[in-house]
Amino acid sequence: SAVISQKPSRDICQRGTSLTIQCQVDSQVTMMFWYRQQPGQSLTLIATANQGSEATYESGFVIDKFPISRPNLTFSTLTVSNMSPEDSSIYLCSAHTGGDTQYFGPGTRLTVL
Amino acid sequence: EDKVVQSPLSLVVHEGDTVTLNCSYEVTNFRSLLWYKQEKKAPTFLFMLTSSGIEKKSGRLSSILDKKELSSILNITATQTGDSAIYLCAMAIQGAQKLVFGQGTRLTINP
Repeated sequence: SAVISQKPSRDICQRGTSLTIQCQVDSQVTMMFWYRQQPGQSLTLIATANQGSEATYESGFVIDKFPISRPNLTFSTLTVSNMSPEDSSIYLCSAHTGGDTQYFGPGTRLTVL
Repeated sequence: EDKVVQSPLSLVVHEGDTVTLNCSYEVTNFRSLLWYKQEKKAPTFLFMLTSSGIEKKSGRLSSILDKKELSSILNITATQTGDSAIYLCAMAIQGAQKLVFGQGTRLTINP
């Protein structure tokens, strides 16, 4: 298994600003994932973050809006850019250490006013 | 398009009852099915199923996969208020590392 931490745990931001969310894993992992969970909805994958290469974005998500960094095998960041109230969600990072099981961080609850 | 559908979307029962949650999937290349419990923000892993007919069990929770019917069930016996959560079903697909999640079942256990 993997222990994953995220910072910040929550934030309230103004429209038009950006927020960077950090994700730290307690062991080296090849792939990290970023999900969004809008109120009352299930998890939607934003992108897969691979170390040493560009992130792979899912349909409907673009790098300009959600830039991702993956500087090493234990750390990743997701930035939510030029925020609007529609970006209010829980943002979750996850990783898998082998096999299909993904372990999730505690999430970041973002509110955009 | 790969798809995971859960039912019911919401369920309210009394403490001590037994519940069965359903998950069905449509995929081109199935690899495994996973169940998670989400109480506040972070989903926590419950089970991973790859073979049909083999029950996975952990305490009062159990799950089984039926590849012929493209479905899985999650059973919780003798429910407790601490079982109140959203239960998520997810699917892993051959050739991809990502998971596809269902909508979740919101389970509420009343004392």
